[in-house]
This record gives sequence, C-alpha cells and structure tokens, in this order.
Amino acid sequence: NAGVTQTPKFQVLKTGQSMTLQCAQDMNHEYMSWYRQDPGMGLRLIHYSVGAGITDQGEVPNGYNVSRSTTEDFPLRLLSAAPSQTSVYFCASSNREWQPQHFGDGTRLSIL
Amino acid sequence: AQSVAQPEDQVNVAEGNPLTVKCTYSVSGNPYLFWYVQYPNRGLQFLLKYITGDNLVKGSYGFEAEFNKSQTSFHLKKPSALVSDSALYFCAVRAISGGYNKLIFGAGTRLAVHP
Repeated sequence: NAGVTQTPKFQVLKTGQSMTLQCAQDMNHEYMSWYRQDPGMGLRLIHYSVGAGITDQGEVPNGYNVSRSTTEDFPLRLLSAAPSQTSVYFCASSNREWQPQHFGDGTRLSIL
Repeated sequence: AQSVAQPEDQVNVAEGNPLTVKCTYSVSGNPYLFWYVQYPNRGLQFLLKYITGDNLVKGSYGFEAEFNKSQTSFHLKKPSALVSDSALYFCAVRAISGGYNKLIFGAGTRLAVHP
C-alpha cells in the first residue's frame, strides 16, 4: 500500500525556473493538500482540494498553482521560483478535510 | 483569529519519566484537535484526535492527550518516555474558512528523551 507518494524527493532550482511537484495517493481520498515546512513556523497550508475539479487557496498561495483533474493526483506548480520558496513541501490526503491526514515523505526544494 | 500555539520549542525529559507537550488553541465552534509526530526526513504521522466524547484521548505508541475546554488546551502526554519518542510533535486544529474545513498547525515542539 503506497499511501501518498511525492516526487521528486530533492530538487535544486535556479531563480526564475518553473517546476511541478508531483503528489499521488492510492487511497481514494477526496481531500488533498499541500503544505510547506519552514524552521520555527510549523506547516503552512499552500493550496487544498476537496475533490476533483475543486481547489482553494490556503495561507500562503502566492507563487504556487494547483489543479485537480483526478482524485489520485494533486500537482503543485511553482511558476517562477524564488529563494523564499526554499522549503520542504508536504502533500497530504484524507477522507475528509477534518479527518487524520496521511502525509508523503516530502520534497526538499532549494532555490538558488 | 483561529490559531494553535505550542509554547515550548523543545522539551527535554529523561527516559522513563512522564512527558507533556503543550498545545493551546483558538477556534470558533467546537474544536477538532489533532497530534502528529514527525521523525527525521519523514512526513507527519497521525497520533490521536479529539472530536467529541471523553476528554482523555488515547492514541498510538502509548500517547494520550487531555482536552480541557475551559483552558482551551490539548496537551500531549505519555506516562513513561522512551528514547525512541524523540521527534518533532505538532498540534493541529480544524479551522473553518470560506466554507471549507482545513487544518492549522502549531510551530512544533521538539521532544528530546535522554537515556
């Protein structure tokens, strides 16, 4: 049982480059979300989705874009990478947004 | 504003001693509260939750948490700490915004259990 799978695990980008962080889950969960984790700041919600075709912004959405065309996949796009986006990114899923979340192992992203 | 606070950046405890990791919250309506644990280079793992019912909630790995409505707290506890409990612990609360529910996380508390 794979759970939540994030790719890549590590990535280094140059300022201005774009990329997509992939997230897939095999538990048929409706709710999926993206967080960034920075030292001393806990996890901050970037974007979330309550089902295919439905997304909404979280606390820190600027510079990121999402779409949800299938139940399984919820990719996060960095439009034009900035050093402030250096962080660890986690994808999570659950049956409902208030139920326990299943997290991937994260993508460690460095922007030079 | 809806929020959750973990007042201690780090908690140090000797193996075999009881441990407490503190969490306070501020939300509108009935709180849904959660504890998660994070080991190095891993994602968060669910420990336990409070939605309704008994104020003392039991979870994974021998952890429990006590919900106190008057103090708006949800402290994580364990009667006897293990070295393997050393990790980063996050408290989270459900917040309702824009018609959807979402989780707000605290900044995390690092638990260090010494042999």
